[in-house]
Amino acid sequence: GQNIDQPTEMTATEGAIVQINCTYQTSGFNGLFWYQQHAGEAPTFLSYNVLDGLEEKGRFSSFLSRSKGYSYLLLKELQMKDSASYLCAAMDSNYQLIWGAGTKLIIKP
Amino acid sequence: GAVVSQHPSWVICKSGTSVKIECRSLDFQATTMFWYRQFPKQSLMLMATSNEGSKATYEQGVEKDKFLINHASLTLSTLTVTSAHPEDSSFYICSAVGLTSYNEQFFGPGTRLTVL
Repeated sequence: GQNIDQPTEMTATEGAIVQINCTYQTSGFNGLFWYQQHAGEAPTFLSYNVLDGLEEKGRFSSFLSRSKGYSYLLLKELQMKDSASYLCAAMDSNYQLIWGAGTKLIIKP
Repeated sequence: GAVVSQHPSWVICKSGTSVKIECRSLDFQATTMFWYRQFPKQSLMLMATSNEGSKATYEQGVEKDKFLINHASLTLSTLTVTSAHPEDSSFYICSAVGLTSYNEQFFGPGTRLTVL
């Protein structure tokens, strides 16, 4: 079956770095997405990886290893506004997104 | 960037009534639109996939006669929750995929439905 695993909740300190891991199993693979979702709002796109390696975009970076079925989202210089849920989603061979349950990130001062 | 709107942003209705939610792509043509439902503290659950001009494809367990989807144009899809009940109370989110951006879904702001 198809499955996405990510931690339920993580806590980090303002100004620090945090890495949110995601493992996936899908029927075929057309890329891995990370979305940010604040409470009561729709998800917003953060990153898309389809090739192995690290993609850096400002304070956020995303890594993919296709052979390991593994990705992580790295957030640097954490700010209080980064407190949100981070959703990992893998696109299968039918171009459908398989969603993880999300990781709630709590930032403490 | 691509913008997707939803209307209404929130709605409260009585049990047994029907509610229509609109999803519009404002600055691009959406070949495919997705409808999701999200219960508190849970991830997005795909309800159906709709392509312009054809019938929607519903996920297993989603009643197509209860959740009517119409994708009449490349910029508009509607979800009608018929005979709504309190258990249908949820956050409904649509997303759209453009003609040139198949690998990225643009999300609407969501519609919070409360059925009394």
